[in-house]
Amino acid sequence: GQNIDQPTEMTATEGAIVQINCTYQTSGFNGLFWYQQHAGEAPTFLSYNVLDGLEEKGRFSSFLSRSKGYSYLLLKELQMKDSASYLCALDPGGSYIPTFGRGTSLIVHP
Amino acid sequence: EAGVAQSPRYKIIEKRQSVAFWCNPISGHATLYWYQQILGQGPKLLIQFQNNGVVDDSQLPKDRFSAERLKGVDSTLKIQPAKLEDSAVYLCASSLVGNSYEQYFGPGTRLTVT
Repeated sequence: GQNIDQPTEMTATEGAIVQINCTYQTSGFNGLFWYQQHAGEAPTFLSYNVLDGLEEKGRFSSFLSRSKGYSYLLLKELQMKDSASYLCALDPGGSYIPTFGRGTSLIVHP
Repeated sequence: EAGVAQSPRYKIIEKRQSVAFWCNPISGHATLYWYQQILGQGPKLLIQFQNNGVVDDSQLPKDRFSAERLKGVDSTLKIQPAKLEDSAVYLCASSLVGNSYEQYFGPGTRLTVT
């Protein structure tokens, strides 16, 4: 099985940069997802990393290191609307079905 | 483009009662998923359909949960009888094909079992 660990909650200031870490233990996986979920809303897809390294998409970037069992989501130029839960998830079998962690609740304050 | 539609948005029932949820995926999306999200946790896959066939239902508690997608479009998820631990948000998602990594989620149905 998989074990995914993320901080439960983080706070950051508007305009700043925040890094949300995700560590995992698994026997193998095809890729790693990041999803954003605002309170009371559906998750929305942010990224899917297969290869090691950093993938940038606008203000959001996602990094994967398979050798270290580690990923992070980097959010730049934080905005109030970025306050949400950020879910790290593994794709264990290559079927693109995410196995989610508990998520990190990010609070952005002025 | 219309998103994934779900109804009802909220439902409160007593334990041992039955409940059904409905999902209409994005037009043209062949693959449909039902997830259960308990408060404070990430979503957990219950069942995956490809058109009207079941691809994976290994985590569906089949003694009380059932799901169907008769015409390969809309889907219903039923719980009978409900237990207190079924209180959760039930999310429906769809993707264009089964090997697409981008799933589109609906707003969910929040179920409270008392």
